Amino acid sequence: GESVGLHLPTLSVQEGDNSIINCAYSNSASDYFIWYKQESGKGPQFIIDIRSNMDKRQGQRVTVLLNKTVKHLSLQIAATQPGDSAVYFCAVVTGGGNKLTFGTGTQLKVEL
Amino acid sequence: DTGVSQDPRHKITKRGQNVTFRCDPISEHNRLYWYRQTLGQGPEFLTYFQNEAQLEKSRLLSDRFSAERPKGSFSTLEIQRTEQGDSAMYLCASSLPEDTEAFFGQGTRLTVV
Repeated sequence: GESVGLHLPTLSVQEGDNSIINCAYSNSASDYFIWYKQESGKGPQFIIDIRSNMDKRQGQRVTVLLNKTVKHLSLQIAATQPGDSAVYFCAVVTGGGNKLTFGTGTQLKVEL
Repeated sequence: DTGVSQDPRHKITKRGQNVTFRCDPISEHNRLYWYRQTLGQGPEFLTYFQNEAQLEKSRLLSDRFSAERPKGSFSTLEIQRTEQGDSAMYLCASSLPEDTEAFFGQGTRLTVV
């Protein structure tokens, strides 16, 4: 089955620096990937997605990179702000019905 | 529409009791998903509906769990004879079938004592 893992459980960055959160997946047939942000006590919030026919996609202050060769994706947050502090999950759409397989999550802490 | 709504937000119950949670999806979304999230972990898929039809159930959904979506709008998730291992956040999400972006509710945090 699909498994998704993140390389670091906690990432601390200074305010204004760029953050990079990494994720590995196991199924080479996976074709759709999503990053979610989850603040304490809240449900996951969609940040950005990417399909397997792309290797980069940019949003507002966020960029997702996909390397299908090594089955790795990353989330880059530019000019990290205190409001970015949260747990970040990568998720892979698997099978029919668009159900998601989530990774464990990375806690991003922004230091002032 | 204010998004996906879940009720209650918190539930504390004694082991062996039955509990029921409700999810109201975004009104035009005909796909509805239930996930379970334990502390420090990502959400795990439980089941999903397209309209009123339950199309898939995870092996995580034991016989004590039942989900319904009788009119293709709101959904309920019932857990019978709760166990301490059922303590978790239960998340509901909804989406359009052609749109893989799922919108999550705030979740129901269940504590079984």
